[in-house]
Amino acid sequence: EAGVAQSPRYKIIEKRQSVAFWCNPISGHATLYWYQQILGQGPKLLIQFQNNGVVDDSQLPKDRFSAERLKGVDSTLKIQPAKLEDSAVYLCASSLVGTSTEAFFGQGTRLTVV
Amino acid sequence: KNQVEQSPQSLIILEGKNCTLQCNYTVSPFSNLRWYKQDTGRGPVSLTIMTFSENTKSNGRYTATLDADTKQSSLHITASQLSDSASYICVVSGTAGYALNFGKGTSLLVTP
Repeated sequence: EAGVAQSPRYKIIEKRQSVAFWCNPISGHATLYWYQQILGQGPKLLIQFQNNGVVDDSQLPKDRFSAERLKGVDSTLKIQPAKLEDSAVYLCASSLVGTSTEAFFGQGTRLTVV
Repeated sequence: KNQVEQSPQSLIILEGKNCTLQCNYTVSPFSNLRWYKQDTGRGPVSLTIMTFSENTKSNGRYTATLDADTKQSSLHITASQLSDSASYICVVSGTAGYALNFGKGTSLLVTP
């Protein structure tokens, strides 16, 4: 079974630039999560989708971050404009249905904002 | 507020030794608790998942325990190996649909 795919693996941008990350969850998984993990800390939920609907985006900085999952499969997370404090690993995870089922993580995208 | 606290923050042990990591949580209502291993530069990988009725679960040299009454869990690693060096993250979820609540992790270093 293929795992959660993310791209790119690494990205370096200047502050105020825009960046987009892509995630393809495990086939059949209805729930998709985007997490931000700052060095030395545990992942912080940015947004949780159930199919193509948003379940929780309470910690998403909506003035600069946006995410979509238009067809209920793959998802894109965008930052515009980026700030230095956005430097982190962005993890995508998926689960069959909700948080009571196993969540599988992708390798993450390491973003460096300079 | 749902919280997950892990201790110690970091740990250094000699290869072959055992160690125990702790997780205390205040998540309510409780659905399940998971332990993940995260190698540097990689995404977390699940080690164990336990529901309310489960007290212990093993995965090879990893054994997790859960006391739902005191809201505590531990992860015991037996006969540690160099490859066990990683961050171990405790994750607690409420009933279906609630977010996963992550601890900050315990960074384990196993030295020769």
